Amino acid sequence: QQPVQSPQAVILREGEDAVINCSSSKALYSVHWYRQKHGEAPVFLMILLKGGEQKGHDKISASFNEKKQQSSLYLTASQLSYSGTYFCGTEIGSGNTGKLIFGQGTTLQVKP
Amino acid sequence: DAGITQSPRHKVTETGTPVTLRCHQTENHRYMYWYRQDPGHGLRLIHYSYGVKDTDKGEVSDGYSVSRSKTEDFLLTLESATSSQTSVYFCAISVKPKGRDTGELFFGEGSRLTVL
Repeated sequence: QQPVQSPQAVILREGEDAVINCSSSKALYSVHWYRQKHGEAPVFLMILLKGGEQKGHDKISASFNEKKQQSSLYLTASQLSYSGTYFCGTEIGSGNTGKLIFGQGTTLQVKP
Repeated sequence: DAGITQSPRHKVTETGTPVTLRCHQTENHRYMYWYRQDPGHGLRLIHYSYGVKDTDKGEVSDGYSVSRSKTEDFLLTLESATSSQTSVYFCAISVKPKGRDTGELFFGEGSRLTVL
């Protein structure tokens, strides 16, 4: 039931782009994305609701394809501050529970 | 930070002893969650609560119990700690904007538990 994220790890140079994918075997109500810095708590980035919504947050955007039960997170012109572990959290069923099942995480390292 | 505090932040205990972790919130949010985080597994849901005395199991609930007698406090108890329960435990609350069914999670700072 846990969604699968790919890749597991990414190393980038500043200014490069990255895509992180999240795939579920269950029908999804929403997909959430979080970033966690080492030794800190996860921090919310964005929510995508079913309906093919695409959202953006500075130079970070995401898409959600409910038919394929997949979401992708796009990081463009990466900055050093983007380093961390990214998690997708999936909410199944009809929503209204707030209960998220998280993927195993994708570690992103941005180098100067 | 949505007013969430976890205690204790660090604890070392021995196998077989009971342990209780506390999550306290100051903003009267209805939905609260306990997750554990282990390398390679991400965040796994242990238990969650929809309100006072209203709790349910998550993905990895075996060996854990919870209680919520007040809106502001959500307690996680390990009745008899085992080494496999060594982990970082995060409490979270869901903040739902008006008119939306789903909300973002705000996490506490985490409680690092080591079971020897």
